[in-house]
Amino acid sequence: EDQVTQSPEALRLQEGESSSLNCSYTVSGLRGLFWYRQDPGKGPEFLFTLYSAGEEKEKERLKATLTKKESFLHITAPKPEDSATYLCAVQGGYGGATNKLIFGTGTLLAVQP
Amino acid sequence: ETGVTQTPRHLVMGMTNKKSLKCEQHLGHNAMYWYKQSAKKPLELMFVYNFKEQTENNSVPSRFSPECPNSSHLFLHLHTLQPEDSALYLCASSQGSGTENIQYFGAGTRLSVL
Repeated sequence: EDQVTQSPEALRLQEGESSSLNCSYTVSGLRGLFWYRQDPGKGPEFLFTLYSAGEEKEKERLKATLTKKESFLHITAPKPEDSATYLCAVQGGYGGATNKLIFGTGTLLAVQP
Repeated sequence: ETGVTQTPRHLVMGMTNKKSLKCEQHLGHNAMYWYKQSAKKPLELMFVYNFKEQTENNSVPSRFSPECPNSSHLFLHLHTLQPEDSALYLCASSQGSGTENIQYFGAGTRLSVL
């Protein structure tokens, strides 16, 4: 069964204190791993898609990496506005047409000034 | 603004009421989704529509009834709900199945069942 586990559940950082969020997954035929950011009272906002082990993507202070078992979201010198819940999701399925995403429970990040 | 609009943003209903949630996407996508988000739980996929055809029903109780009249609009009809159905209901859309399936979400409808 496809599964996504995120850790830690919650993370509190000081402004400028770099850290990483983890997303471990098991999936039958990874077709894509997705990172989203969700602010309170809003829907998830797309950040990155990674397709194969070794791939990396960056956006401002965020960098996402992928291995065959997990993905990391590295946050460099975070600012208070980076505070949010970060969600990881995987799309699996060998061949065929499937657009189902399996989500983790998220990591709640709080960055204090 | 993500291009996916959900109304209403908040809804309070009694267990005997009938109400509908609406979702509209302006992205030219072919697939639309309903998710349920409860505290401390992963997003739970409810229904998937591809080109107006339902392709996934994730064992959702019949008190939730989806409708997709065209590729831009999606409804979720609610009747005889239970208090445990209180949650954030999210709509999403994507280009469709295939190698790239980035789903774009609306802001959600916060539903409270009394």
